[in-house]
Amino acid sequence: DGGITQSPKYLFRKEGQNVTLSCEQNLNHDAMYWYRQDPGQGLRLIYYSQIVNDFQKGDIAEGYSVSREKKESFPLTVTSAQKNPTAFYLCASSISNIQYFGAGTRLSVL
Amino acid sequence: EDKVVQSPLSLVVHEGDTVTLNCSYEVTNFRSLLWYKQEKKAPTFLFMLTSSGIEKKSGRLSSILDKKELFSILNITATQTGDSAVYLCAVQRNNAGNMLTFGGGTRLMVKP
Repeated sequence: DGGITQSPKYLFRKEGQNVTLSCEQNLNHDAMYWYRQDPGQGLRLIYYSQIVNDFQKGDIAEGYSVSREKKESFPLTVTSAQKNPTAFYLCASSISNIQYFGAGTRLSVL
Repeated sequence: EDKVVQSPLSLVVHEGDTVTLNCSYEVTNFRSLLWYKQEKKAPTFLFMLTSSGIEKKSGRLSSILDKKELFSILNITATQTGDSAVYLCAVQRNNAGNMLTFGGGTRLMVKP
């Protein structure tokens, strides 16, 4: 079954804790992206990676970190420096100029 | 800074109605405009538009781009309750990889 898998679907973070959101794709896409979506708003780009072992900051990278050690995987860490992490996080990968999305992870703060 | 504005913010119609969703943009070195449908979670791709005046069509959905006036519209005819969703518009620039700048979305509710 091809696609983009995000896990977990729901995640709770305590104050001062780092949490990691998983994104895996088996579509053989080179580029991958992380977006944040707040209620009633569009998507804002956090980080993106065009190729393995390379990634760039998006518009709202502060308080987040990523790695891209494998083509299939692009995990996002929400660090304790991100003071307002409650949001819906979407991962995407792209081919032929079109981005395809995973089902998302909803992160809440306890 | 790239800017994408969608209107209306939300819309309530009855089944069978026709709706038009709007997307205007300001972007340097424009390459393409994309429409997505977001029902509950993952946005799903609808259309990619690169040329002015050429309508893209898929069933009851159609879209067109005006590069002179910098806007696109998404039309849905004979709406069904399954069309209820948030519709997202996004633009891409040349020389920026495949990065997208999104608008805030239009929330469409179709009542039986």
